[in-house]
Amino acid sequence: GAGVSQSPSNKVTEKGKDVELRCDPISGHTALYWYRQRLGQGLEFLIYFQGNSAPDKSGLPSDRFSAERTGESVSTLTIQRTQQEDSAVYLCASSLAPRTGAEGYTFGSGTRLTVV
Amino acid sequence: QKEVEQNSGPLSVPEGAIASLNCTYSDRVSQSFFWYRQYSGKSPELIMSIYSNGDKEDGRFTAQLNKASQYVSLLIRDSQPSDSATYLCAVRGLTGGGNKLTFGTGTQLKVEL
Repeated sequence: GAGVSQSPSNKVTEKGKDVELRCDPISGHTALYWYRQRLGQGLEFLIYFQGNSAPDKSGLPSDRFSAERTGESVSTLTIQRTQQEDSAVYLCASSLAPRTGAEGYTFGSGTRLTVV
Repeated sequence: QKEVEQNSGPLSVPEGAIASLNCTYSDRVSQSFFWYRQYSGKSPELIMSIYSNGDKEDGRFTAQLNKASQYVSLLIRDSQPSDSATYLCAVRGLTGGGNKLTFGTGTQLKVEL
């Protein structure tokens, strides 16, 4: 697609429920990243995919968080048993495969998750 | 020490002035550096990247990199009210396959009429 597409744009869920967030990267972008941004805070790295493997998942905050990616396309981020501290904007970004180090990310518009 | 540090601001400049945004980073082997602009309620958008010491100019924007001092800056000439946003500095290091960007918490810029 023309840009990085994320769905849903907004999600309100009850504490303890599971949620699934979806990211569709730019066509041809083999690298995909998930970040979290709490209100008024910076971007917190969660996980990086190269193709469908995840060489860096060091930012996943707990075992309630998991992510997968199908080939070089859609990725889903799943949060199980949501807690109020999970409330944030979840941002997905994609980029060309890292070769020179100069490849910047393109971000999607994010999913705003509110846990009540 | 944070990996990427920025003054949170707000930095207020009058319309038409030069805005200077600064960033320091801790990982000496960091390879490339990026500036993103984030409007309130929106996602970050890439403004510039730089990976060689010196200056890189693109329109009203100039990025400056000094690897010896572990310092990167962004200058915005002829600042406009539409430049009012949070500016995020990001650094690419060598951990995790060398592709992860680590972001600073951003500097809020306000351009006043």
